[in-house]
Amino acid sequence: NAGVTQTPKFRILKIGQSMTLQCTQDMNHNYMYWYRQDPGMGLKLIYYSVGAGITDKGEVPNGYNVSRSTTEDFPLRLELAAPSQTSVYFCASSYAIAGVGETQYFGPGTRLLVL
Amino acid sequence: GENVEQHPSTLSVQEGDSAVIKCTYSDSASNYFPWYKQELGKRPQLIIDIRSNVGEKKDQRIAVTLNKTAKHFSLHITETQPEDSAVYFCAANPLGGSYIPTFGRGTSLIVHP
Repeated sequence: NAGVTQTPKFRILKIGQSMTLQCTQDMNHNYMYWYRQDPGMGLKLIYYSVGAGITDKGEVPNGYNVSRSTTEDFPLRLELAAPSQTSVYFCASSYAIAGVGETQYFGPGTRLLVL
Repeated sequence: GENVEQHPSTLSVQEGDSAVIKCTYSDSASNYFPWYKQELGKRPQLIIDIRSNVGEKKDQRIAVTLNKTAKHFSLHITETQPEDSAVYFCAANPLGGSYIPTFGRGTSLIVHP
């Protein structure tokens, strides 16, 4: 199993540009998440999904959009990039049933720089 | 919602010493408590976890204790080594609702050779 994969690894964007961060998991997990981590800081939840076709906002959703058309893929869309979106973005997945939370598996991260 | 406090934010120890990181949570319905280690430039990875029906769990040099009455849990690392240097995050997973974990702010552990 590849686990959770993310592309690209690193990207430089100009202010106002848009891009999509890709995330794929091959563990058949129902839950998927997007976090951002600013330098020296903790993880902030942007969006999450509890299954295909279902998404919901996290703590810091402004400026981002997501979709979940399949169990495996959970892309994160940045519209009109701003310097405040410079960060490292982690995708994660987990399997939760009947109220039993489970381990999150994280992707390798995408480092984004907005200039 | 759940609130997780983690202390200390930075912990500096000598190689061979023990290190203890503490977390408190607010939602008594939380039932799963993982600990993640994040090395510099890498992704967070699970190192140990504990469920609410267990008071202590050990895996070689690391252990986690849980006090549900006081709503706190702790990570214990014995015989620390330089490769233990990393940021450690605790989390609490609620029972019910969206089952979305709440993370602590992280502890930067530095082990001096």
